[in-house]
Amino acid sequence: GIQVEQSPPDLILQEGANSTLRCNFSDSVNNLQWFHQNPWGQLINLFYIPSGTKQNGRLSATTVATERYSLLYISSSQTTDSGVYFCAVGTSGSRLTFGEGTQLTVNP
Amino acid sequence: GAGVSQSPSNKVTEKGKDVELRCDPISGHTALYWYRQSLGQGLEFLIYFQGNSAPDKSGLPSDRFSAERTGGSVSTLTIQRTQQEDSAVYLCASSQKQGGATYEQYFGPGTRLTVT
Repeated sequence: GIQVEQSPPDLILQEGANSTLRCNFSDSVNNLQWFHQNPWGQLINLFYIPSGTKQNGRLSATTVATERYSLLYISSSQTTDSGVYFCAVGTSGSRLTFGEGTQLTVNP
Repeated sequence: GAGVSQSPSNKVTEKGKDVELRCDPISGHTALYWYRQSLGQGLEFLIYFQGNSAPDKSGLPSDRFSAERTGGSVSTLTIQRTQQEDSAVYLCASSQKQGGATYEQYFGPGTRLTVT
C-alpha cells in the first residue's frame, strides 16, 4: 500500500514564528487532506489539496503531485495552533492513509 | 449544517463483552468510513460504505469486527468478544461520492473505547 511520511515528528516554536510541515507519499494520489487534531481528539479539516496551492488565513498548503509531496505552512503561529497535524492521502476514491503526524507545540 | 455525529462519546466495557458504536453521517453524503486511532497503530482504515455497493471490509482487523449501514445513512460498528487491544478511539467520516471522483472526508468526534 501507499506510504506516507511526515516531518518533522515534533516541532516546538515560539509564538509568532513561522513553520513548514512536510508530507511525502509513495504513489500517485487523487486525494490529499491536511488535518489538525485538537486536544479533544477532533480532526479539523484544514485543506483538501490533491494538487496546487491554497491559502486560508495564516495557513497555506502546496501539493506537488508529480514529485509526491505536500507542504503545510503556518505563519505567525499562535498557542492555539498547538496539536497534531496529519497528512492523509487516498488513491482510489475511498480510504485515506494517514501519516504519523507532526506534534506542534507553540509556546507563549 | 450538522457535522458527523458519533455515539457514545466514551465507552468502557469488560473484556469479552460486545459493543456497538454508532455513526450519523452528514446529510446527503453517500460515502461513510470507519477508522480507528490507537497509540501503537496510529490512524488506520477499517471499512468503507458507498451507496448500495458491497462495503470494502479490507481494513477490519479480525472477524470479531463487523459493520452495517442501514438505509444508506446511519452506520453501526460492532465489536464482539472485546479484547484489551481493541481499546482505541473509533472515528467515523463521511463524504460525497459520485462515480470515480474523490471528495473531502469529514470526521466525527470519535468514540473512545476502553476495554478493561
